[in-house]
Amino acid sequence: GESVGLHLPTLSVQEGDNSIINCAYSNSASDYFIWYKQESGKGPQFIIDIRSNMDKRQGQRVTVLLNKTVKHLSLQIAATQPGDSAVYFCAETNTGFQKLVFGTGTRLLVSP
Amino acid sequence: EAGVAQSPRYKIIEKRQSVAFWCNPISGHATLYWYQQILGQGPKLLIQFQNNGVVDDSQLPKDRFSAERLKGVDSTLKIQPAKLEDSAVYLCASSWGQGLSYNSPLHFGNGTRLTVT
Repeated sequence: GESVGLHLPTLSVQEGDNSIINCAYSNSASDYFIWYKQESGKGPQFIIDIRSNMDKRQGQRVTVLLNKTVKHLSLQIAATQPGDSAVYFCAETNTGFQKLVFGTGTRLLVSP
Repeated sequence: EAGVAQSPRYKIIEKRQSVAFWCNPISGHATLYWYQQILGQGPKLLIQFQNNGVVDDSQLPKDRFSAERLKGVDSTLKIQPAKLEDSAVYLCASSWGQGLSYNSPLHFGNGTRLTVT
């Protein structure tokens, strides 16, 4: 079946750097995308979402970019902090909000 | 507001035994989900309830898994008999509206980690 995947399983950065986590999706019918953060021993936590009629959306220190042409989205974290260390998942769903499909995740490690 | 509550936090059982997990969603949330998260993977939907009715259980292994939400509030997920490959974290989530929507994101509990030996 169609799925959401990630390019990098682990990303290591220094505190204060900007982080970019990438995600490729294969379902062209997907029109709503969500980024989740999952810390060890906890459930996924909503970070930011974007609809397919947008290319960019900004939150506090986070930005999501969507490129529908190449079916790619990314999560940018500005001034990465040790508290940002976690596994990040992108998830997709389509109009009608049927099944939310998660990717396999990228682990972000932030060194002080 | 209080989050999604799940219990137990951990469970270790032998294969062929039975196990049950409990979830109490956020108050007022009509939709409840059970996800299975195998180590190193993203969560996979097992079943979705709208109030006390099943909306989607297409990925639930019905020969061994069952779930109920009798009063439209809390829910239980049962596995009987368990297999080694059932070792995973079982996450419960809830949302306010009729399923996922732009203004009704999923709120997850911290899950139950099941180990089948």
